[in-house]
Amino acid sequence: QSVLTQPPSASGTPGQRVTISCSGSSSIIGSNTVNWYQQLPGTAPQLLIYSNNQRPSGVPDRFSGSKSGTSASLAISGLQSEDEAYYYCATWDDSLNGPVFGTGTTVTVL
Amino acid sequence: QVQLVQSGAEVKKPGASVKVSCKASGYTFITYYMHWVRQAPGQGLEWMGRINPSGGYTIYAQKFQGRVTMTRDKSTSTVYMELSSLRSEDTAVYYCARAGYSGTSLERAFDIWGRGTMVTVSS
Repeated sequence: QSVLTQPPSASGTPGQRVTISCSGSSSIIGSNTVNWYQQLPGTAPQLLIYSNNQRPSGVPDRFSGSKSGTSASLAISGLQSEDEAYYYCATWDDSLNGPVFGTGTTVTVL
Repeated sequence: QVQLVQSGAEVKKPGASVKVSCKASGYTFITYYMHWVRQAPGQGLEWMGRINPSGGYTIYAQKFQGRVTMTRDKSTSTVYMELSSLRSEDTAVYYCARAGYSGTSLERAFDIWGRGTMVTVSS
């Protein structure tokens, strides 16, 4: 059972803004930065956001991340059909000495 | 370009072992930690452990301690993940994933992923 909780689903129409939350404990999210991964159907995850709000090169600026206290958020603005995917948050667990992943959110473009 | 190429799908019987390979190219192999993450059908992502390709040092998730072994071959820039005493719950796609450069804000993020290796455990 993941220590990071995400809503199971989110949806929006093309062009809308969608926000996905990721909540955890103060010892987990509160102490470390958050990364976000996008997993398109049938493919491997890809890094979308790292260090709370940084985008790797090639990731559109429609994707943005933020973190406050024990929660983090991923926002997708100007939603597009190709954004239909699973999204996972992740952070480092110092007791595990490795990452923990969120429960995952499926985004549907209506 | 930077890529990780994994070995093909495997079908194993309960109690057997499986060894999955992950060949790195396009970057200096020993410079980046390599992790293994698995995903059961319809489920989320689960971290299994990591290996430092330079010295071969490993850290495993407690859940897999005693059953998983990660190794590397510097001559071929390949890392391996072997899981033993397989059971049906081990049926999953196994990914290798490169961590970002140590000492940077990317070091705890996985910036390159392999395409995954499907391991099916069935009698």
